[in-house]
Amino acid sequence: DIVMTQTPLSSPVTLGQPASISCTSSQSLVHSDENTYLSWLQRRPGQPPRLLIYKISKRFSGVPDRFSGSGAGTHFTLKISRVEAEDVGIYYCVQGTQFPRTFGQGTKLEIK
Amino acid sequence: QVQLVQSGAEVKKPGASVKITCKASGYTFTNYAMHWVRQAPGQRLEWMGWINAGDGDTRYSQKFQGRVTITRDTSASTGYMELSSLRSEDTAMYYCGLGGFDYWGQGTLVTVSS
Repeated sequence: DIVMTQTPLSSPVTLGQPASISCTSSQSLVHSDENTYLSWLQRRPGQPPRLLIYKISKRFSGVPDRFSGSGAGTHFTLKISRVEAEDVGIYYCVQGTQFPRTFGQGTKLEIK
Repeated sequence: QVQLVQSGAEVKKPGASVKITCKASGYTFTNYAMHWVRQAPGQRLEWMGWINAGDGDTRYSQKFQGRVTITRDTSASTGYMELSSLRSEDTAMYYCGLGGFDYWGQGTLVTVSS
């Protein structure tokens, strides 16, 4: 199974400041169709996960442009340009390249 | 708009089975796969398996192989996940979701307790 490792596990951020989360996979996430199926999910308290980013850097419908994704191969990053109060929650990377799908352990974003 | 509506919370005894439903609307049901994912308290999200809603092909996590069965009813645009031989460690929130993790159900809390 592909192991997904996120850092940091906790990120206290000041409102209006940037935040960054890293995700590393134990194997390359490049699929045989040449796509890289790495997504980022947001989990607000009491709500189901919400897709933010798919295929490394594509923003899902309705996701604010302060969220961006980058990376390649085995190293990926989610960036929030200016953190807002509504961004509090847990962020997960997930790979959709191989079965079984696997998730990172989650990064808790909180406001300082 | 795409909606996935799951069945309500369940309380089960160890050794029992649970079957959760996921009613889909707002899209062509057979065009997308449906995942099942769970999250136990304090744990990361855990993929259990999926079904190709078109042809019914399934893939399961080895961890749940033999205990989980994922099915669908195309006439009802509904997916199902049944987990058997429940133990306390299966206490978790269970989610259905579309194949790209783009849309999710609201979650179903399953509590396993004697």
